[in-house]
Amino acid sequence: DIVMTQSPDSLAVSLGERATINCKSSQSVSYSSNNKNYLAWYQQKAGQPPKLLIYWASTRESGVPDRFSGSGSGTDFTLTISSLQAEDVAVYYCQQYYTPPYTFGQGTKLEIK
Amino acid sequence: QLQLQESGPGLVKPSETLSLTCTVSGDSITSSSYFWAWIRQPPGKGLECIGSIYSSGSTYYNPSLKSRITISVDTSKNQFSLKLTSVTAADTAVYYCASGPGWYAYWGQGTLLTVSS
Repeated sequence: DIVMTQSPDSLAVSLGERATINCKSSQSVSYSSNNKNYLAWYQQKAGQPPKLLIYWASTRESGVPDRFSGSGSGTDFTLTISSLQAEDVAVYYCQQYYTPPYTFGQGTKLEIK
Repeated sequence: QLQLQESGPGLVKPSETLSLTCTVSGDSITSSSYFWAWIRQPPGKGLECIGSIYSSGSTYYNPSLKSRITISVDTSKNQFSLKLTSVTAADTAVYYCASGPGWYAYWGQGTLLTVSS
């Protein structure tokens, strides 16, 4: 299985400041044939199912605010929230869909400082 | 817009078989080139992929659970199902059904399964 490792495990950021979450895969999740990165990001608020934010490492899902952005390729990826809002408090997960089983990172808990 | 809804017993005794069903609405389960997946989340912990079934019928199971899992589709009811045998307390979790082309754009609300005698 591909192991997904996120850092940090938890993060406290002031309102309006930038939040950065990293995700590293144990092997590349990129296909050179189509130049795509098989990596998604999700947001999970307390008591709710996960919500898709980003797929193909950098494509925002419809309706997701543009303060959320994804970047990276190969084995190293980043989710950035450019200006943290109170409603962004949640746990964030990365997921690879390069090879089944489609594994998730352990999650990063984002709080307000 | 796809909608998914899990249903299940809520409480299962150790060593018994768990059966969960996900009812899909908004589109036919056979018309989308999607993965139909089961994902679970133990209390206070992260997400674990249990397995999935593709629209072609191919199944993909988590190797750590493979010997205990069956995922199937009932096209007549527009549902897909999970059977997990020989459950233990470690299987206590919120079980989600989800769907998408690889990433999971659609999720059910989740159903809590408790394994206890």
